Amino acid sequence: DAKTTQPPSMDCAEGRAANLPCNHSTISGNEYVYWYRQIHSQGPQYIIHGLKNNETNEMASLIITEDRKSSTLILPHATLRDTAVYYCIVRPYDQIIFGKGTRLHILP
Amino acid sequence: SAVISQKPSRDICQRGTSLTIQCQVDSQVTMMFWYRQQPGQSLTLIATANQGSEATYESGFVIDKFPISRPNLTFSTLTVSNMSPEDSSIYLCSVKGLDGEPTEAFFGQGTRLTVV
Repeated sequence: DAKTTQPPSMDCAEGRAANLPCNHSTISGNEYVYWYRQIHSQGPQYIIHGLKNNETNEMASLIITEDRKSSTLILPHATLRDTAVYYCIVRPYDQIIFGKGTRLHILP
Repeated sequence: SAVISQKPSRDICQRGTSLTIQCQVDSQVTMMFWYRQQPGQSLTLIATANQGSEATYESGFVIDKFPISRPNLTFSTLTVSNMSPEDSSIYLCSVKGLDGEPTEAFFGQGTRLTVV
């Protein structure tokens, strides 16, 4: 699996958009970009995934650069409940290998 | 989607004993995965369990310490054997979506193990 690099922590004001970056410069053509988050003491929760087009669902938007070497997860209106560790993962299909993720703090 | 139930949700065990963790899924899945999350750390993959074959262990994990059963397509167990305080972690099972498709993975809520 391709390696990903994320900032260890970020702060975002409540109600603002949270933009979480991820670098995956060694991604290969058949690998998807996935985002999960883990709220304290819970199992990881799927957020969104994409291959090369931008994606949007009810939780977030995923912006993937044209060269696919980086991506950004956007939470459009962050709330206190979005405080969690966010994991950017690149994989083809099977098991997930987690990195250290970004700890997102939503500030009231 | 898939709903995963793990039992027990937490336990406190004496060193030298073993604990078996159960993972039940509400649908049939080919691949199940077991993870360990040590305090303050990210998740580490222990092994992949396919029905009808031996589990495949990641580097640093061995079958004698973490035996896994996968008797059918909806159930798996992970045993933590001969426990020591270093085994105190959250253990999670996971399943992926449709075989061969880039779908999301689903996770149980974990088993919080404390070894004293």
